[in-house]
Amino acid sequence: QKEVEQDPGPLSVPEGAIVSLNCTYSNSAFQYFMWYRQYSRKGPELLMYTYSSGNKEDGRFTAQVDKSSKYISLFIRDSQPSDSATYLCAMMYSSASKIIFGSGTRLSIRP
Amino acid sequence: NAGVTQTPKFRVLKTGQSMTLLCAQDMNHEYMYWYRQDPGMGLRLIHYSVGEGTTAKGEVPDGYNVSRLKKQNFLLGLESAAPSQTSVYFCASSYSKYPDTGELFFGEGSRLTVL
Repeated sequence: QKEVEQDPGPLSVPEGAIVSLNCTYSNSAFQYFMWYRQYSRKGPELLMYTYSSGNKEDGRFTAQVDKSSKYISLFIRDSQPSDSATYLCAMMYSSASKIIFGSGTRLSIRP
Repeated sequence: NAGVTQTPKFRVLKTGQSMTLLCAQDMNHEYMYWYRQDPGMGLRLIHYSVGEGTTAKGEVPDGYNVSRLKKQNFLLGLESAAPSQTSVYFCASSYSKYPDTGELFFGEGSRLTVL
């Protein structure tokens, strides 16, 4: 069983829709949760970072962590074609531990 | 600033050939990493370096070697390429080891095909 599970998609939604991307994990020791965005033929870039449980908002993006369910989500409001990319969740046990990446969900926003 | 630069961007090898991927960063970062990305597998750490002259194994190091002779450069070598090493390789750097924010700075990737 993988430590981090992520639906590969592809997920296709119309422009302006609310997008929900999710990851589940098996180890309750994870404390740091990240979302990376990867455009086609580019390297990943950090989009959101959250420590422990709760929500974090940054513009149109909201990251949510539910440690009791071992489930994290990324919500994108008012989605734009420029949001079309692969979104990778990632987790760490502690601030000095290795990063475990999900396999990524490919998202396409239709104009 | 260029950030993290990888060369070459594309390469096709025959089984048994050798090659070196070069990563260069201009952010004065101490830590550098090599990952491979395969469909359905996510990013997997091959080797990493915590400073000039040091290297360490990641989770999938077999078949690869690395060197960090200069702080700004991190080289990944394949001595005898195998088809299983067909992948997209990403170099990354960070100012500290897996910093609190989990932020790694990635290059654009090197696509390697081994026939």
